[in-house]
Amino acid sequence: DAGITQSPRHKVTETGTPVTLRCHQTENHRYMYWYRQDPGHGLRLIHYSYGVKDTDKGEVSDGYSVSRSKTEDFLLTLESATSSQTSVYFCAIREPAGGGNEQFFGPGTRLTVL
Amino acid sequence: GENVEQHPSTLSVQEGDSAVIKCTYSDSASNYFPWYKQELGKRPQLIIDIRSNVGEKKDQRIAVTLNKTAKHFSLHITETQPEDSAVYFCAASIEGGAQKLVFGQGTRLTINP
Repeated sequence: DAGITQSPRHKVTETGTPVTLRCHQTENHRYMYWYRQDPGHGLRLIHYSYGVKDTDKGEVSDGYSVSRSKTEDFLLTLESATSSQTSVYFCAIREPAGGGNEQFFGPGTRLTVL
Repeated sequence: GENVEQHPSTLSVQEGDSAVIKCTYSDSASNYFPWYKQELGKRPQLIIDIRSNVGEKKDQRIAVTLNKTAKHFSLHITETQPEDSAVYFCAASIEGGAQKLVFGQGTRLTINP
């Protein structure tokens, strides 16, 4: 599983509350990504990181922020959750220290915003 | 930006038959095309990928073909088995750098015994 975990795995929250999802990797991958998966849309990139403190937007970044203060952790924050952010969130990693170009996905976090 | 269309959205085949899933992309700069398989409740897993310097790649019962001129690529699964039942996603990106994958909408493949 490429040493990638996500927490929490499931979360139910209310509209307007802040939510932070965590992605943790153990193999020193340079790139980390956050995707959301919704029926009929496949997976869509929210934000990605190419190093500590280096992040950039993806195609559906509105309403989300990210931070990467350590190589191993990439956090996704919903400042004020909305029902449209109910989704399954996947983290992905790429380019370990030994090289390689494939993206490997974490187990996912199912978020429900009521 | 890149746009990836995937067809069909659902596909049902008899065990032992072949299955073909097709994707088209819009950005001629894209040169990396991975395919992911996702079983129910699980994470997407990379099953095969192809780069634009080759037209076909095979791995046992799975093959992917790429037509750069027409901007389409396809996944072929031969001798299908029940464990091939899953949702399959194609994606496209420019390899290296940020490698921001743009995914198709997915194909739910059902193998009937």
